[in-house]
Amino acid sequence: GAVVSQHPSWVICKSGTSVKIECRSLDFQATTMFWYRQFPKQSLMLMATSNEGSKATYEQGVEKDKFLINHASLTLSTLTVTSAHPEDSSFYICSASAPSGQFFGPGTRLTVL
Amino acid sequence: AQSVTQLGSHVSVSEGALVLLRCNYSSSVPPYLFWYVQYPNQGLQLLLKYTTGATLVKGINGFEAEFKKSETSFHLTKPSAHMSDAAEYFCAVSDYEGSQGNLIFGKGTKLSVKP
Repeated sequence: GAVVSQHPSWVICKSGTSVKIECRSLDFQATTMFWYRQFPKQSLMLMATSNEGSKATYEQGVEKDKFLINHASLTLSTLTVTSAHPEDSSFYICSASAPSGQFFGPGTRLTVL
Repeated sequence: AQSVTQLGSHVSVSEGALVLLRCNYSSSVPPYLFWYVQYPNQGLQLLLKYTTGATLVKGINGFEAEFKKSETSFHLTKPSAHMSDAAEYFCAVSDYEGSQGNLIFGKGTKLSVKP
């Protein structure tokens, strides 16, 4: 089956620092990857759509300069949270698009102190 | 615009009892509907999906869901709950099969299974 990995699985950082989260499709190529954010006891909210070789498309209300997305290859997309603040603490989940559907990574829990 | 409403943020059943998780959707175009399961600190796993054709969809782990257009519903059921079914369940809608389009998720329903 299609497998998507995320690294790291959890990260704790100080306020003001930047954090990079990687999303990899391990056994298939994904021209499109999606980044979601999930607050405790809430649903997943789409942040942006990442297309290989082009700029990401951000959802309304998501700051593109704060959440930098790079999709440099067909198997890797990265999300960088710049100048992180405590309110950025959340569970970040990526998904990768395959012909048979979207496959989700295990998520990255970010805690900003 | 599309939206999903999951009735009941928390459902508790006894082991062996019927599981019923409710999902209603709103869509201006023919919807594609999905149910995902999320175990603690893990990503989402697809249980089943409805695209076109048969309205009763069977998924993994004994779950099934029925698309009812007249009721704009896509409720998830399982005849007999197992302890391992305890997890968070999300209903989602898309205007594509889901591979390329946005998935709009409901707020989720946490299923607890009592021994």
